[in-house]
Amino acid sequence: GENVEQHPSTLSVQEGDSAVIKCTYSDSASNYFPWYKQELGKGPQLIIDIRSNVGEKKDQRIAVTLNKTAKHFSLHITETQPEDSAVYFCAASRTTDSWGKFQFGAGTQVVVTP
Amino acid sequence: GAVVSQHPSRVICKSGTSVKIECRSLDFQATTMFWYRQFPKQSLMLMATSNEGSKATYEQGVEKDKFLINHASLTLSTLTVTSAHPEDSSFYICSARWHPPSYEQYFGPGTRLTVT
Repeated sequence: GENVEQHPSTLSVQEGDSAVIKCTYSDSASNYFPWYKQELGKGPQLIIDIRSNVGEKKDQRIAVTLNKTAKHFSLHITETQPEDSAVYFCAASRTTDSWGKFQFGAGTQVVVTP
Repeated sequence: GAVVSQHPSRVICKSGTSVKIECRSLDFQATTMFWYRQFPKQSLMLMATSNEGSKATYEQGVEKDKFLINHASLTLSTLTVTSAHPEDSSFYICSARWHPPSYEQYFGPGTRLTVT
């Protein structure tokens, strides 16, 4: 089955700096890669996703890149703000899977210090 | 759009009793709903997948007689923890998926279950 590894487990950045979180996956058939942000005591919130037919996607300060050959994808947050502090999870999924189940990474605790 | 609610947000129950958690998709029809369990500082662990009108599919190691799932309509799924024990205390989160070909899952706010 699919295995997703996520690094780093914790990330401290100064406000205004960039943050990068990396994930690798094992199943070459995976073709949908969402990123979620989870604040303490709340459910995960979808912040950006990418499909395997594109290499990069951007939404304001957030971008995701995908390298299918190397089987890794990354989340980039620029100009970080204190409200970006949260746990971020990557996930991988096969859209050919009728259930559409996700395999999540272990999560990255991001702390943005003013 | 894509709002998923859960009720209750917190529940405390005594050991041996059962508790029901509701998951609703408020502004879309969800053909598939997922139930996850999350321990402190850990990732989301998929418990089961349910399609409207059919039996849930449980992940390996999850007791289907203990965690009863009913997906009665396109907007409602329920998880019942039967004969709860302290080790069942956890954060339970549901997610809902739109009709295919959409792939996104939208998560509810979670339910904190404490069994005393």
